[in-house]
Amino acid sequence: GESVGLHLPTLSVQEGDNSIINCAYSNSASDYFIWYKQESGKGPQFIIDIRSNMDKRQGQRVTVLLNKTVKHLSLQIAATQPGDSAVYFCAENTRGTYKYIFGTGTRLKVLA
Amino acid sequence: EAGVTQSPTHLIKTRGQQATLRCSPISGHTSVYWYQQALGLGLQFLLWYDEGEERNRGNFPPRFSGRQFPNYSSELNVNALELEDSALYLCASSLGVGGQETQYFGPGTRLLVL
Repeated sequence: GESVGLHLPTLSVQEGDNSIINCAYSNSASDYFIWYKQESGKGPQFIIDIRSNMDKRQGQRVTVLLNKTVKHLSLQIAATQPGDSAVYFCAENTRGTYKYIFGTGTRLKVLA
Repeated sequence: EAGVTQSPTHLIKTRGQQATLRCSPISGHTSVYWYQQALGLGLQFLLWYDEGEERNRGNFPPRFSGRQFPNYSSELNVNALELEDSALYLCASSLGVGGQETQYFGPGTRLLVL
């Protein structure tokens, strides 16, 4: 399939290691955040979300951390697997604005 | 349960023509979103429909328009196509309650303008 973005920052991780993908969001009023995974040739897939009244949320093998002070969001993937190779991007929303702002994304490459 | 579907998967047009892209949301979802994903760029918000109404639009010219039908499916129309309109157009749907529900994306329509 086609690559999604030719000039994205790339994170290369050894299989089995943990991955940390970062996102700086733009609007201090944003109160809802989502991480998506996009594999080549496919639409984005929801991974995990977090609301601004939380600073951490865990899913299966994934953890999202939110630091509102510095407007920073991170996605941690435990025991990274080859199937995790994709582009990951965050999205932010402010309730009532009917608009999501997406980051440009980070390409995760899992090395065997 | 069927996911978000989009048609066509690929569309080739020439400059100046019009393109119509279609999206069917997940059953029960009332909100539909359209995004443009050009190569090398992140998702750019185009339009947001909920209950048949346009709730918001992104920073795109008026030649990008759309509508949502009573069955919540949606159409994106791009008039007077330009070369830079070549991109992957993604549709997403959500339950549409309050605007902060998980968006589920379709596979996209890849538009190529020659």
